[in-house]
Amino acid sequence: DAGITQSPRHKVTETGTPVTLRCHQTENHRYMYWYRQDPGHGLRLIHYSYGVKDTDKGEVSDGYSVSRSKTEDFLLTLESATSSQTSVYFCAISEGFGRGISGANVLTFGAGSRLTVL
Amino acid sequence: DAKTTQPTSMDCAEGRAANLPCNHSTISGNEYVYWYRQIHSQGPQYIIHGLKNNETNEMASLIITEDRKSSTLILPHATLRDTAVYYCIVRPQIQGAQKLVFGQGTRLTINP
Repeated sequence: DAGITQSPRHKVTETGTPVTLRCHQTENHRYMYWYRQDPGHGLRLIHYSYGVKDTDKGEVSDGYSVSRSKTEDFLLTLESATSSQTSVYFCAISEGFGRGISGANVLTFGAGSRLTVL
Repeated sequence: DAKTTQPTSMDCAEGRAANLPCNHSTISGNEYVYWYRQIHSQGPQYIIHGLKNNETNEMASLIITEDRKSSTLILPHATLRDTAVYYCIVRPQIQGAQKLVFGQGTRLTINP
């Protein structure tokens, strides 16, 4: 998707290993989000950021940490990956209320990162 | 956020209008109706949003009932590329992060 890049796009790893997914944006949007998507559960928010070094938990944050040292980068880390973290991970960005499309704080999503933990 | 109810799946013929309903009977006065869609294996994509007036953009039209308890997303001339899962989400327009909660959505299949 234009302006937002996720890496890696695909990764296979083993249980217990650390994994870091990167989200990079060129839109200078304030807010960034990490979602995971699993069959039967839909999209669920893991963590989000409202500025550099400002992050907060979503509904499924256990086992995940995030960092945002620059406006453009939002990292999602699995300190010790488990099979239950096998999923597709989506990063999203938004400008905030009053800006962008009709000021609607619309989310723009990346293409996703498919993680398999064996 | 108000709960939404959507049909699990729908079919529509290519070239016809696809009308996707959404029930949000507990919607509050400051809550907007948002529609996103997710084409297979891609990230969700914003379509349209509205408060109480009908809205139209290059992708779709949104019709919200006068009591705001339900809405319909209309794709006027559906194509095969419109096959996707469509999510109706109700959220207040507030400052801060937009923590959208995605339900199961409606799986729309456009048939040739």
